Amino acid sequence: GIQVEQSPPDLILQEGANSTLRCNFSDSVNNLQWFHQNPWGQLINLFYIPSGTKQNGRLSATTVATERYSLLYISSSQTTDSGVYFCAVVSGANNLFFGTGTRLTVIP
Amino acid sequence: DTGVSQDPRHKITKRGQNVTFRCDPISEHNRLYWYRQTLGQGPEFLTYFQNEAQLEKSRLLSDRFSAERPKGSFSTLEIQRTEQGDSAMYLCASSFGDTTGEQYFGPGTRLTVT
Repeated sequence: GIQVEQSPPDLILQEGANSTLRCNFSDSVNNLQWFHQNPWGQLINLFYIPSGTKQNGRLSATTVATERYSLLYISSSQTTDSGVYFCAVVSGANNLFFGTGTRLTVIP
Repeated sequence: DTGVSQDPRHKITKRGQNVTFRCDPISEHNRLYWYRQTLGQGPEFLTYFQNEAQLEKSRLLSDRFSAERPKGSFSTLEIQRTEQGDSAMYLCASSFGDTTGEQYFGPGTRLTVT
């Protein structure tokens, strides 16, 4: 099956700093989503972005499908941004394949 | 739009017991998915319904697991003769359309098998 790799695995930031999270995938995809998993386990949709660039407030994402990667940018980070960020893709099948996530900790 | 809901949110059971979880998708969504997440890992696909038809099952779905979506609305996931290795978060997601659209997840059911 498709491989989804996320980097870095762990990231610690001072509040107010910016960060870039990366997702590499091994095959062409029909769908790519970014999620934030909060401490209670809820997966919150951030972006549905099989290609192109989208922005939502302090967050933006870019997927370059031809080069098989996606980037999630977080600007002016806040403590509430802490949690695990997952990239997930659909390739050929109907289900999402998830990466192993990036654990972000924002310290005040 | 009330989002995807799951019940119960937490379940503690003894090894060997049967458990059943329920998922209510977003009302107009025709596709429903079950995933399982263990500690430190990303969610893994279990099974998928389009309306009432179960169209795909992962190899993770052993014969102790069964899922139904009887009228194309809510779904149930049953685990028979639970084992300690079944302890995990069980997540339900739904989406709309004939192709793979954006999936929205419920809050999950956390199962602990003692």
